[in-house]
Order: sequence, then structure tokens, then C-alpha cells
Amino acid sequence: EDQVTQSPEALRLQEGESSSLNCSYTVSGLRGLFWYRQDPGKGPEFLFTLYSAGEEKEKERLKATLTKKESFLHITAPKPEDSATYLCAVNYNQGGKLIFGQGTELSVKP
Amino acid sequence: DAGVTQSPTHLIKTRGQQVTLRCSPKSGHDTVSWYQQALGQGPQFIFQYYEEEERQRGNFPDRFSGHQFPNYSSELNVNALLLGDSALYLCASSLVKNEQFFGPGTRLTVL
Repeated sequence: EDQVTQSPEALRLQEGESSSLNCSYTVSGLRGLFWYRQDPGKGPEFLFTLYSAGEEKEKERLKATLTKKESFLHITAPKPEDSATYLCAVNYNQGGKLIFGQGTELSVKP
Repeated sequence: DAGVTQSPTHLIKTRGQQVTLRCSPKSGHDTVSWYQQALGQGPQFIFQYYEEEERQRGNFPDRFSGHQFPNYSSELNVNALLLGDSALYLCASSLVKNEQFFGPGTRLTVL
């Protein structure tokens, strides 16, 4: 069964304490892996797309990487405003259906 | 450039009623996808519209139907509402097969 699993479910960090979020997937024929940020009660905000193993993308304090089985979202020296739920999604067929993980809720304390 | 817009923001209905949610895609986008997000969960794919046709559908009953208009805007209709339909309904627009950009969502509460 095609599946996306994110870990941990929740992560509490002190400001400046770097860490990584994990997204593992079991789909065949990956066509793209997407990272989104979601604030409470709002729609997901697009962050990155990764298409092939070895690919990396960076934006401010965030860096996303991709292997054949998983993706990592590295957060370097996070700030309180980075607190949000981070969602991972994959697209695996010719259509546009995205399969989402359940998300990682990140909390960064000052 | 306006992003994806959705209306209404919030909606309260009772069991058995019908509801229509609306979505306007980001300028230049021709594909609209709808997702349901329960509290604490990731979004679940409902269906996708392109060229006014339903291209792909997730595991949702026929009570969920949709439409896309010539200007690419879209509607999601849910009939015979159940308590379990309470969720955040998200619309996402894209150019076909490209990144999907989400709207703010419509919070539906079924009493």
C-alpha cells in the first residue's frame, strides 16, 4: 500500500537548537516529493519540491534532502516563528494526487 | 497576484443537509484539486479537475461531487452531510503535474 510516514509526530526545540524531521515513503514510481508548512487553521504553504535521490533544496533556515526511501527536512538554528506543522507529500502517478503524511508539529521556544 | 481563494471561510450545517464550497485558483493555473483535512491529520485527496473534467478521484463516496468552470474556478458539493464530514476543506491549484498551491480552506462543522 502506498504510504507516507512522518516522524516524530511532535518536536519541541529551544531557539537555536538544530534538528531534522523525517518523511519515509513506500510508493513505486515517485514523481515528486513535496514539503509544506501549515499554521493552525490555515492552508498548507508550499516550501520545496524534490524529484530525484540526491537532490537538495534550501530556503533560509530549512534544507530538504531526498533518498530513494525517505526525505529529511533539516532546520538550522530555528526561531520561534518556525513553529508550525510540517507536512510531507508524494506524487507517484500520472495524475496530480498527493498522498500526505500526518505531519510533524514543531514548537520552538525562545 | 492573488493566490488561491476559497469561500466561505466557515460553515455550520446540520446532518442531512447539502453544502457547496467554492475555489478560485491562482492566476495562470488550470488545475484544481480538493482535499479534506481532519483535525490532527494530513490532507486526504478528494478529486482533481482539469479542462472541466474530473481527472482523478480519491476514496470518497459519491456524496462528494465537483465541478470546474471555464474560468478554472471550482465547486465542491457534499450531499447528505454526516457528522464525520466535519473538517477543513482545502482547494489547491496548479499547472497540470506541477506544484500545488493551497488556499486558506473552508472549515465545515456538521451538527
